[in-house]
Amino acid sequence: DAMVIQNPRYQVTQFGKPVTLSCSQTLNHNVMYWYQQKSSQAPKLLFHYYDKDFNNEADTPDNFQSRRPNTSFCFLDIRSPGLGDAAMYLCATSRERVFRGKGYTFGSGTRLTVV
Amino acid sequence: RKEVEQDPGPFNVPEGATVAFNCTYSNSASQSFFWYRQDCRKEPKLLMSVYSSGNEDGRFTAQLNRASQYISLLIRDSKLSDSATYLCVVNSDTGTASKLTFGTGTRLQVTL
Repeated sequence: DAMVIQNPRYQVTQFGKPVTLSCSQTLNHNVMYWYQQKSSQAPKLLFHYYDKDFNNEADTPDNFQSRRPNTSFCFLDIRSPGLGDAAMYLCATSRERVFRGKGYTFGSGTRLTVV
Repeated sequence: RKEVEQDPGPFNVPEGATVAFNCTYSNSASQSFFWYRQDCRKEPKLLMSVYSSGNEDGRFTAQLNRASQYISLLIRDSKLSDSATYLCVVNSDTGTASKLTFGTGTRLQVTL
């Protein structure tokens, strides 16, 4: 039933050790987004893919990269995780980049702990 | 100034109470508005869209005032299951992409 699937639900990584979070979707949506949400804060958009077109937010650190090998999958790579990168990472999709209505479907998130 | 501002709460209310949350946004070009609900350690889920004419969904009523750049959510007859964080979300359209901007959320705790 799940339409946007994030794996794993919980990820523990060591300080400085590269980590990859994954997101897959069965909706055939054109756009996939990655958000970072720290405790008691608003979800913050890191970047999005429109099809294969990558769009980075201006204030996203270089430490965060993304790959979208096909329509269904999108990965978030954190090259050298710091303690400040501990957060919930949310993947979302939308059919198109421009929408006025409900638009978004979120995955259940991956909670990242850095030790 | 934050793009979307909300009172973080918590709002502690007894079951059956009516509670109202407010939100202000700074981008006057924003086109559409939503309330999302987020349970602890879960993803945000769409609660309802918000229209200038006001809209109601069961016990929930949302209102938008574009002139004041102000959004509200009213919950009547609160249930224990309404306990969650309520995120005010604003959609801005640049012409090539829509961008959702989230508030930090207002936490609601409904008690017996």
